[in-house]
Amino acid sequence: KNQVEQSPQSLIILEGKNCTLQCNYTVSPFSNLRWYKQDTGRGPVSLTIMTFSENTKSNGRYTATLDADTKQSSLHITASQLSDSASYICVVSSSGGSYIPTFGRGTSLIVHP
Amino acid sequence: NAGVTQTPKFRVLKTGQSMTLLCAQDMNHEYMYWYRQDPGMGLRLIHYSVGEGTTAKGEVPDGYNVSRLKKQNFLLGLESAAPSQTSVYFCASSYGALGKGGQPQHFGDGTRLSIL
Repeated sequence: KNQVEQSPQSLIILEGKNCTLQCNYTVSPFSNLRWYKQDTGRGPVSLTIMTFSENTKSNGRYTATLDADTKQSSLHITASQLSDSASYICVVSSSGGSYIPTFGRGTSLIVHP
Repeated sequence: NAGVTQTPKFRVLKTGQSMTLLCAQDMNHEYMYWYRQDPGMGLRLIHYSVGEGTTAKGEVPDGYNVSRLKKQNFLLGLESAAPSQTSVYFCASSYGALGKGGQPQHFGDGTRLSIL
C-alpha cells in the first residue's frame, strides 16, 4: 500500500531560526514529490515539485531535497518568518497510471516572535 | 485570474438533506478533483475528472456523486447527507495527469460543511 509519513507532527520554532521537515514514502513506481503549504482556512499552495532526476529544488527560503534511493524528502525553511506558520504537506504521485496521489498528514509549524 | 473558486464557503445541513458544491476553474485545465480533509488525516480523493464529460471514483466515493458537464466546472453532490460527511471539501485542478512529470495542482480555499 502506498504511504507517505511526515515528521514531526508539529513543530514550534522562534522567528529567524531554521527548521527541517521530513517525509518518507513507499509509493512505487515513483513519479514526483510535491511539498505544499496550507495556511489555516485556506487551500494548499504548491511550494516545490521534484521528479525522479531532481534531488534539490528551491523556492525562496524553502529548499526541498529528494533521495529516491532511500525514499526520503526534506523541506528546509531558512530564516523563518511569522508567515511561515502553517501546515506543510508532502504528496507523492506514482507513474503507474493511477491519478490518485498519496498525501501525508502534514507537519504543523508554528513560528513564535 | 481567480484560479479555483469554490462555492459555498460554509454550509450547515441536516441529516438526509441534499446539496451540491460547485467548483470553477479559469485555467483551462483538463483534470479536476474533489478531496475531503478531516482532522489528523491527509487529503483523500473523492472523485476526479480527466476531461469534460468524464468522471471517475477516487479513494472515498461512497455517498457522493459528481458531474463535469462543462470543462471549467466540477460539481460534487451529496444525495442524502450523513454526519460522517462533515468535513472540509477541497476542489483542485491540473493541466495534465499528476503522475506524469511535474504538473502543478491548484486548490480552491475549501467548503466547510457540517452535517447535524
